[in-house]
Amino acid sequence: DGGITQSPKYLFRKEGQNVTLSCEQNLNHDAMYWYRQDPGQGLRLIYYSQIVNDFQKGDIAEGYSVSREKKESFPLTVTSAQKNPTAFYLCASIVQGGSNQPQHFGDGTRLSIL
Amino acid sequence: QKEVEQDPGPLSVPEGAIVSLNCTYSNSAFQYFMWYRQYSRKGPELLMYTYSSGNKEDGRFTAQVDKSSKYISLFIRDSQPSDSATYLCAIRTGFQKLVFGTGTRLLVSP
Repeated sequence: DGGITQSPKYLFRKEGQNVTLSCEQNLNHDAMYWYRQDPGQGLRLIYYSQIVNDFQKGDIAEGYSVSREKKESFPLTVTSAQKNPTAFYLCASIVQGGSNQPQHFGDGTRLSIL
Repeated sequence: QKEVEQDPGPLSVPEGAIVSLNCTYSNSAFQYFMWYRQYSRKGPELLMYTYSSGNKEDGRFTAQVDKSSKYISLFIRDSQPSDSATYLCAIRTGFQKLVFGTGTRLLVSP
C-alpha cells in the first residue's frame, strides 16, 4: 500500500543534542512538508520541498534543518538551537507542489525532552 | 485576527446525533477548503475537500462552504463512537500554504 512512513514514533532528545526524524513516501509525490503540532495551536509549517535538492522555509523554520536528496525522503533535523522542541511532528506530501490537491499525512513522531 | 478560527471543544454528543463542526476564516479570497479527522497519536486523515460554495456530501459527512459569511461547516449524521476524534479544518491561503484550525475534539458516547 502506498503511504507516508514516519519514524520513530517516539523520540527523546537530551540537552544540546541534534535529532533526526525520518519521513519516507512511496506515493511518487513531488512535494513534501513538515509540520509541528502543539496543543491548542493547530499545525504550523516548518519546511517544505517541491522537488529534489530544493526546499523552502515555512513559518517556524528556526532551529530546524532539512534535506531532500531523494524524491521519496525528506528528513527533518531538530537542532540544539530549537529551545522548545517538545511537540508532535507531522510529515505530509502532495502529488505536485502548488497543485490544489489536498495534502496527505504520515502518523507522526512525538519528540520529548529528557 | 487569526486566518482560521475553530472552537477547540470538546463537543460531547450521544450516539446517533447530528454533529455540526465549524470554522471561520478571515480572507474572502480563500478558495480551497478541507476537513481532516485526527485520532489520538495519529496523523490527520482527509475527510472532505471542497472548492466552491454550497454542500458536498460523502456518506454520513457533508461539507458546507458559505463564502459570503466566510464560514465552513462539517456535518456528521448518525454519529458513531468511532467518530470520536479531533476534526481539523484547513484552508489553502496561497501557493504551497495551508492554514489549519486548532481542531475541535468530538466525543460520541454510546
